Amino acid sequence: AQSVAQPEDQVNVAEGNPLTVKCTYSVSGNPYLFWYVQYPNRGLQFLLKYITGDNLVKGSYGFEAEFNKSQTSFHLKKPSALVSDSALYFCAVRDAGGYNKLIFGAGTRLAVHP
Amino acid sequence: EAEVAQSPRYKITEKSQAVAFWCDPISGHATLYWYRQILGQGPELLVQFQDESVVDDSQLPKDRFSAERLKGVDSTLKIQPAELGDSAMYLCASSPRRPHNEQFFGPGTRLTVL
Repeated sequence: AQSVAQPEDQVNVAEGNPLTVKCTYSVSGNPYLFWYVQYPNRGLQFLLKYITGDNLVKGSYGFEAEFNKSQTSFHLKKPSALVSDSALYFCAVRDAGGYNKLIFGAGTRLAVHP
Repeated sequence: EAEVAQSPRYKITEKSQAVAFWCDPISGHATLYWYRQILGQGPELLVQFQDESVVDDSQLPKDRFSAERLKGVDSTLKIQPAELGDSAMYLCASSPRRPHNEQFFGPGTRLTVL
C-alpha cells in the first residue's frame, strides 16, 4: 500500500535560515509526490509536485523539493525562511490504484521565529 | 483566480442531527473529492467523483454519510445522524481530468458535533 511518513511533528527555524521539512514514502511503482501547505482554518494550497524528470523540483513561494529514489525521500526545502512561512505542511503520494487519489502524511508544523 | 467554494464555513450541531455541506468546484474540473481532516492528522479521502459518477467511496461510512454530484458540477455531502466522532474539517477539492494533476482545495467546513 502507498504511504508517506513525516517524521517531525514540528520544525523550528529562525527567519533567514534555511529550512527542511522531511518526507519519506513507500510506493509500488513510480512515485508521484506532492507538497501542500495549510494556513489556520484554511484549505490546502499546492506547493509543488514530482512526476518525473529532474530530482530537484521548484515550486511556489520559493520552495523546492528534492526527490531521492534511493532514500525514498522527498524533502521540502527553502534557502531562507520567512515568518510568513509558518504553517502546516503536508506531503502526499498519489495512490497507484486510484483515480488521482492522494494519500497524505500527518503533517509537519513549521514555526519560523523572527 | 478560480477557487473551490464551500459552505458553510462553520457548522455546530448536536449529535443525531442531520448536516449537509456544499461544494462548487473550479469550472471545468471533472474530478471532485471530499476529504475529512481530523485535528492533528492529514486529510483522508471520503469520496471521489469523476463527473457525476462515484469512483471511490471505500472510506465513506455509508450507514450515515452520503454524497451526490447530480449534474457533474457542484456536490453535497450529508451526514445523518451526526456523531461526536464526526467533528472534523471537511475539505472539498477538484482537479482536471488529466492524470497527476494537483488538486485545488476549498477553504473547508469545520464541523463541531456536541
